[in-house]
Amino acid sequence: GAGVSQSPSNKVTEKGKDVELRCDPISGHTALYWYRQSLGQGLEFLIYFQGNSAPDKSGLPSDRFSAERTGGSVSTLTIQRTQQEDSAVYLCASSFLGLAGTETQYFGPGTRLLVL
Amino acid sequence: AQSVTQPDIHITVSEGASLELRCNYSYGATPYLFWYVQSPGQGLQLLLKYFSGDTLVQGIKGFEAEFKRSQSSFNLRKPSVHWSDAAEYFCAVGPRGAGSYQLTFGKGTKLSVIP
Repeated sequence: GAGVSQSPSNKVTEKGKDVELRCDPISGHTALYWYRQSLGQGLEFLIYFQGNSAPDKSGLPSDRFSAERTGGSVSTLTIQRTQQEDSAVYLCASSFLGLAGTETQYFGPGTRLLVL
Repeated sequence: AQSVTQPDIHITVSEGASLELRCNYSYGATPYLFWYVQSPGQGLQLLLKYFSGDTLVQGIKGFEAEFKRSQSSFNLRKPSVHWSDAAEYFCAVGPRGAGSYQLTFGKGTKLSVIP
C-alpha cells in the first residue's frame, strides 16, 4: 500500500483479556518498529524487526507483550492479560533498510487501546 | 541515559506569527536529531532531521531547525504559522552507530493556532 496501515483503529477490551494489534508496513520496507504512546508521554520504543535477524525486544515492558513478523512483512503485537496501564496508542513504523538512524521511519495512524 | 526535553507542553500562536519550539537533549555524544509532527488521528510525519554538516536544517512545510552543540538544543522554527500547522510536535534523538534505530522521543509540544 501507499503507507503503513494498522488495525484495528480502536480497541476496547476488558482487563485480563488478550489483544492482537496488526501492522502492515510499506511494501519493500525490511525494518519494522513498534512504539507505545501513553497519554501525556512521548513515544516509547517497544520492538524492532530487521529482515530475518532476531528482533530487538529490549523495549517490551513485560513478558505479557510479544510481537511477531510473518514473512518479513505483516507484524502482530500481542498483549496478554491486559492491564489498565496498557491503555495507550500503539504505533507501528517501517523503514527501507533499518540502517542507522539516517533512515526515515514512516508511521502508521496507530491503534488506540483502552483497557477497562 | 539519554533523554529529550521539550519544555513547552502547549503553545498557542496567532496565524502568521513566528514559531519556535524548543528541544534539549542529554546524550553522551551528538546523536541524530529529528522533528516529527502528529496531526489528530494521524501517525507521525518526519519534518526534518540532522545528521551532520550544516547546523541549520530545512524541512518540509516551511520548517527549519538549528542544531546548537554548546546548548544541546535542536529548536524548530517557522517564520509564519498557518492554521494547518496546529498539531503535536515531537523531537527525537537516535544514537550513532549500533542501535541507532532506537529513537528516544520527547513528550511533545501541542501547537494551537488562533485564526
